[in-house]
Amino acid sequence: DADVTQTPRNRITKTGKRIMLECSQTKGHDRMYWYRQDPGLGLRLIYYSFDVKDINKGEISDGYSVSRQAQAKFSLSLESAIPNQTALYFCATSDLSGPNTGELFFGEGSRLTVL
Amino acid sequence: AQKVTQAQTEISVVEKEDVTLDCVYETRDTTYYLFWYKQPPSGELVFLIRRNSFDEQNEISGRYSWNFQKSTSSFNFTITASQVVDSAVYFCALAKDRGSTLGRLYFGRGTQLTVWP
Repeated sequence: DADVTQTPRNRITKTGKRIMLECSQTKGHDRMYWYRQDPGLGLRLIYYSFDVKDINKGEISDGYSVSRQAQAKFSLSLESAIPNQTALYFCATSDLSGPNTGELFFGEGSRLTVL
Repeated sequence: AQKVTQAQTEISVVEKEDVTLDCVYETRDTTYYLFWYKQPPSGELVFLIRRNSFDEQNEISGRYSWNFQKSTSSFNFTITASQVVDSAVYFCALAKDRGSTLGRLYFGRGTQLTVWP
């Protein structure tokens, strides 16, 4: 099983609908992230969380909100989806120490299409 | 501010050719991490390498090699004897070494590599 799991993997929705992307991890990492990927733009940070009580905006947080329900769970919500939010969304975790310090561990991605 | 530039948007090569993917970064930090990730057509992000700014030794892993030069702020990636399975988007990324944003990566826009049989 994947260490970082995203659901749903694919979702098609309509403009104005509320959509939630969920992420859960078994790596025991405190830090979790939501990135968005658009063709030719690389990955851009939406929100990140250092622990359950700490939520921070990234580069492109407008139109999004997040919830850190537990150390292992970090959800991304689009309150009223619009077509330019069509993208591939990645959840990631990271550790602060050890041999993997700084490395991001990614989920498999959630492809969202807003019609 | 942190910035990563991958000037090559797309590269096409024929199988068995060597190919180098360029990565230039900007940071005011004296310590930092650099990464390369691979994204095959299936879409997942695959970690390839992490390099600490203290370690300027080049690294080789099979057909892959990385050339880190602090003097030119570059961290280039070479694939020797490319194969069709190397076709993917490759991302270079930069992370702070310490402080509140440790673990937050700044990505380049990626280089699409296509290897033709």
